[in-house]
Amino acid sequence: GAGVSQSPRYKVAKRGQDVALRCDPISGHVSLFWYQQALGQGPEFLTYFQNEAQLDKSGLPSDRFFAERPEGSVSTLKIQRTQQEDSAVYLCASSVWTGASYEQYFGPGTRLTVT
Amino acid sequence: QQPVQSPQAVILREGEDAVINCSSSKALYSVHWYRQKHGEAPVFLMILLKGGEQKGHEKISASFNEKKQQSSLYLTASQLSYSGTYFCGTEFGGKEGNQFYFGTGTSLTVIP
Repeated sequence: GAGVSQSPRYKVAKRGQDVALRCDPISGHVSLFWYQQALGQGPEFLTYFQNEAQLDKSGLPSDRFFAERPEGSVSTLKIQRTQQEDSAVYLCASSVWTGASYEQYFGPGTRLTVT
Repeated sequence: QQPVQSPQAVILREGEDAVINCSSSKALYSVHWYRQKHGEAPVFLMILLKGGEQKGHEKISASFNEKKQQSSLYLTASQLSYSGTYFCGTEFGGKEGNQFYFGTGTSLTVIP
């Protein structure tokens, strides 16, 4: 079946531009995570949704970062006034509850380069 | 709160075994293991829950010692396809249950 998809796969933005990154989770997956992965580092948690509710956004690095999932399916991560330190791969993962924990399925990521 | 993994990097010859450790300074609810190949997304390997269980997946298995807040991933008779960066991931439950932290990563290279 279809996995998690993300678009665009690559994005080059000039400093100060706004960007929007899209995530299409696996159908039926209630939970959705966004992560930021800098080169050579592990993914860092940004935010978490359960259906349309954003239950945790403590990992968002600044108020320039905003995420939404209005209908509980597709999610968008928006970054306003991009800065060079925002350059990273942004990963989206949707998850299924196993009864005791959840397994996360990752999309291919969006590589953002801010010049 | 980020779990610490050791070693940072390891090089193996095909057929050799390896152990990757993951330690947390906080009590864990569960430990997940992922493998990420260069330029690709992390791929789920397994979850271990509280209770000190051990699980296996092909020739890859893991254990979880909740008392020591540690997990170990065991790779036996390594294959070339095992190369990649391995991350443990932890969730803490309770108020922090919605957050998920990946470890520092271990780069594994299997050579012929």
